[in-house]
Amino acid sequence: RKEVEQDPGPFNVPEGATVAFNCTYSNSASQSFFWYRQDCRKEPKLLMSVYSSGNEDGRFTAQLNRASQYISLLIRDSKLSDSATYLCVVNHVTFGTGTKLQVIP
Amino acid sequence: DAGVIQSPRHEVTEMGQEVTLRCKPISGHNSLFWYRQTMMRGLELLIYFNNNVPIDDSGMPEDRFSAKMPNASFSTLKIQPSEPRDSAVYFCASSLGGVRLNSPLHFGNGTRLTVT
Repeated sequence: RKEVEQDPGPFNVPEGATVAFNCTYSNSASQSFFWYRQDCRKEPKLLMSVYSSGNEDGRFTAQLNRASQYISLLIRDSKLSDSATYLCVVNHVTFGTGTKLQVIP
Repeated sequence: DAGVIQSPRHEVTEMGQEVTLRCKPISGHNSLFWYRQTMMRGLELLIYFNNNVPIDDSGMPEDRFSAKMPNASFSTLKIQPSEPRDSAVYFCASSLGGVRLNSPLHFGNGTRLTVT
C-alpha cells in the first residue's frame, strides 16, 4: 500500500459546482498535512495546511479524519482558475500523486 | 523576495553524460529538499538536508545520484552517468524548521531533464 493515495481523476465539473477530493494515508502516526496545488508544467504551491479541527480559507475547506486516516479538500463555487492538480502531503514531505481538476465553462 | 532558484531550467543530455542540477534556497530557510517528478510516480523525495547536513537520502535511486550542500545558500544534485530513465522534472524546495515543524515547502521552478 502506498503511503499516500489519491484518486487521479480527472474530475470534470461545471463552473459554480462544489467538488471534494479525499486523500488516504497509511501511517497512523502522521502529524502534519497539507494541500498543494500544481498547475501544468509549474511547481507545486501551498494551498492550505490541514488542522485537526478542520479549517477554511474562502471557498476552500480542509478536513482531517484521523480515525479513517484521510484528509479532504472541498472547493465551493468552482472557478475556471481552480483547474489544476491538487496534491496532498503527509508528514511534510510525502506527496500523493495528485488529483486533476478541470472546471468547465 | 527571491524564491527558490534552480538552474538550469532545461537540460538535454546523452546517456552516460554527467548532469549537475543547482539550487539556491530561500535565504533563512534551514531545510532543503530535492524531489523528482514523473507522470508514473508523481513527486518522489530524493534527499533532504537540515542545516546543510543530509538527514534522509533513502529516496536516492542508486549510487549514480549524489547531492551536496556545501553551504546554506547552495546545493547540487549530480547524476553520473545519466540514463534515459532519469528523465524527469527535478524540483528543489526549502522550508523553515525542516520536517519537525509545520512549515510548508517553497518550490523552485524545477529542472526538466531529458536524457537521450
